[in-house]
Amino acid sequence: ETGVTQSPTHLIKTRGQQVTLRCSSQSGHNTVSWYQQALGQGPQFIFQYYREEENGRGNFPPRFSGLQFPNYSSELNVNALELDDSALYLCASWGTGENTEAFFGQGTRLTVV
Amino acid sequence: EDQVTQSPEALRLQEGESSSLNCSYTVSGLRGLFWYRQDPGKGPEFLFTLYSAGEEKEKERLKATLTKKESFLHITAPKPEDSATYLCAVGSSSEYALNFGKGTSLLVTP
Repeated sequence: ETGVTQSPTHLIKTRGQQVTLRCSSQSGHNTVSWYQQALGQGPQFIFQYYREEENGRGNFPPRFSGLQFPNYSSELNVNALELDDSALYLCASWGTGENTEAFFGQGTRLTVV
Repeated sequence: EDQVTQSPEALRLQEGESSSLNCSYTVSGLRGLFWYRQDPGKGPEFLFTLYSAGEEKEKERLKATLTKKESFLHITAPKPEDSATYLCAVGSSSEYALNFGKGTSLLVTP
């Protein structure tokens, strides 16, 4: 068990709706990354937050946005959902220091219908 | 642009039949090469990080090695519970993202 928890585990949304996914990072970890994993693919980087500031972003449109809170938990918000947004959304938390690893949560399975 | 290619895409082994998974990569300044195990519908589980060519790490039946262009995940005498998708990812010194391969789906049959 990594100590990274995500909620909800599954949800179904309708095209055009908005969704918020949540992540509690491992204790002591101040960096959180979000990834999207389509079926049969490797995870794709969405963005990363360090001490409440976004400090890296992948090739995702602005309707994907996020927040990090003072306790280092994080949210991923997706507006105007599209069918292609259906995927497993993964949150990873990183420790401090030069050589650290990313520990992933169990993911949120989002289905857009 | 960083690239990660894993092979084979799928591998079926008999219990006890050792084999290796390959991860070829190109990266501008390697920060680390990461191996993860992922069970269906679950998040990736961290296995190893390798930082420099020549480095090796072991955990139970798994051994990871690293050269300047590729990494191998050797599985010795696998058991059915080793069945999973194995993901390789590279982190570069110039960006924060982990760049993942598509994974190798391993099935170990009794």
